[in-house]
Amino acid sequence: DAKTTQPNSMESNEEEPVHLPCNHSTISGTDYIHWYRQLPSQGPEYVIHGLTSNVNNRMASLAIAEDRKSSTLILHRATLRDAAVYYCIPTGGFKTIFGAGTRLFVKA
Amino acid sequence: SAVISQKPSRDICQRGTSLTIQCQVDSQVTMMFWYRQQPGQSLTLIATANQGSEATYESGFVIDKFPISRPNLTFSTLTVSNMSPEDSSIYLCSVARGPLGDGYTFGSGTRLTVV
Repeated sequence: DAKTTQPNSMESNEEEPVHLPCNHSTISGTDYIHWYRQLPSQGPEYVIHGLTSNVNNRMASLAIAEDRKSSTLILHRATLRDAAVYYCIPTGGFKTIFGAGTRLFVKA
Repeated sequence: SAVISQKPSRDICQRGTSLTIQCQVDSQVTMMFWYRQQPGQSLTLIATANQGSEATYESGFVIDKFPISRPNLTFSTLTVSNMSPEDSSIYLCSVARGPLGDGYTFGSGTRLTVV
């Protein structure tokens, strides 16, 4: 499994964009890049995933570096409800192995 | 994607006893995954449960402590046996959202406190 490096925590102001970085330099060529978030007292929630191209959905955008060794989750307008731990997980198999993630604080 | 119902949502148990956690999915799935989240920590995979075969345990987890049943394609149970306070954690089940690569859906978890 590819190792990931994410900031322990980040802070954002409400209604501003947030860029959450993830380094996964040991990713293999067939690994997808998944992002999940875990709100307080809840199970992890799928956010977005991609392989090579940038991806957009109703929750976020995922920008993947050309060499795939890093990616960035973009929340276009942070809200208080986006305060959570965000996990970046490269995976090519059936297992999802969680790292420590980034705790996002959103200020009103 | 699949919807997971996990029971109980929380429990307080005496040390030395066992607790069985249920995970019900609203569609048939091949694999179900069980995780543990210790206080203030990230999730750790306990085992993968396939219908009709024994669960595959990750390093550090054994069947005697965490027996798993998988009687059909929509249901699984995880038992935490002979509990000690160190077993106080949140236990979660998870299934695939769709084809391989599409990510996973998680239950809301069972918050277990052992006293």
